[in-house]
Amino acid sequence: KQEVTQIPAALSVPEGENLVLNCSFTDSAIYNLQWFRQDPGKGLTSLLLIQSSQREQTSGRLNASLDKSSGRSTLYIAASQPGDSATYLCAVRAWKRPHNAGNMLTFGGGTRLMVKP
Amino acid sequence: ETGVTQSPTHLIKTRGQQVTLRCSSQSGHNTVSWYQQALGQGPQFIFQYYREEENGRGNFPPRFSGLQFPNYSSELNVNALELDDSALYLCASSSLAGGPKTQYFGPGTRLLVL
Repeated sequence: KQEVTQIPAALSVPEGENLVLNCSFTDSAIYNLQWFRQDPGKGLTSLLLIQSSQREQTSGRLNASLDKSSGRSTLYIAASQPGDSATYLCAVRAWKRPHNAGNMLTFGGGTRLMVKP
Repeated sequence: ETGVTQSPTHLIKTRGQQVTLRCSSQSGHNTVSWYQQALGQGPQFIFQYYREEENGRGNFPPRFSGLQFPNYSSELNVNALELDDSALYLCASSSLAGGPKTQYFGPGTRLLVL
């Protein structure tokens, strides 16, 4: 059974800092890994998706890396801003055949980020 | 292109009642998944529908059931509500054409069971 863990559970940093959020998973047979952002009481916004054959993805100030063999992913946020304050969730999709056999995501518990002005 | 929408946004029920939550998928998506998110935790997979059939289920009892309609909208039904069913219920749509793609989530329905 796939288990996903995110460390730290909460993080508070001053504005402008570069920071790293960590995600680990127990089963390396994944199809892809996705990072989401969730604002309080809201739905999830997809930030980055990394296919199992990829090592990293970048979008603006965000960079996500994937090391499948060690079961780890990191989300790097450069020059953090107060607007980055939210909960960040990583989720993995298991490898399944055929592809329509299920698109289940297994989520970590999230990292609550607070960026102080 | 419209996003994923859910209704209602909030709902209060009492223990033992039944509830129906609704989701409209993003245009062009043929797969919908439902997740339950308890306060302070990550979402947990309930089930997925593809072409109107359930094709994946998480560790949830049979009193959680669903439907997907020809227009790819979906319903989540929960019978015999329990206090622990209080949570944010999220639906997500995606396309499986060419392999699984990014899942797009709706804003969720906040259910409170008293």
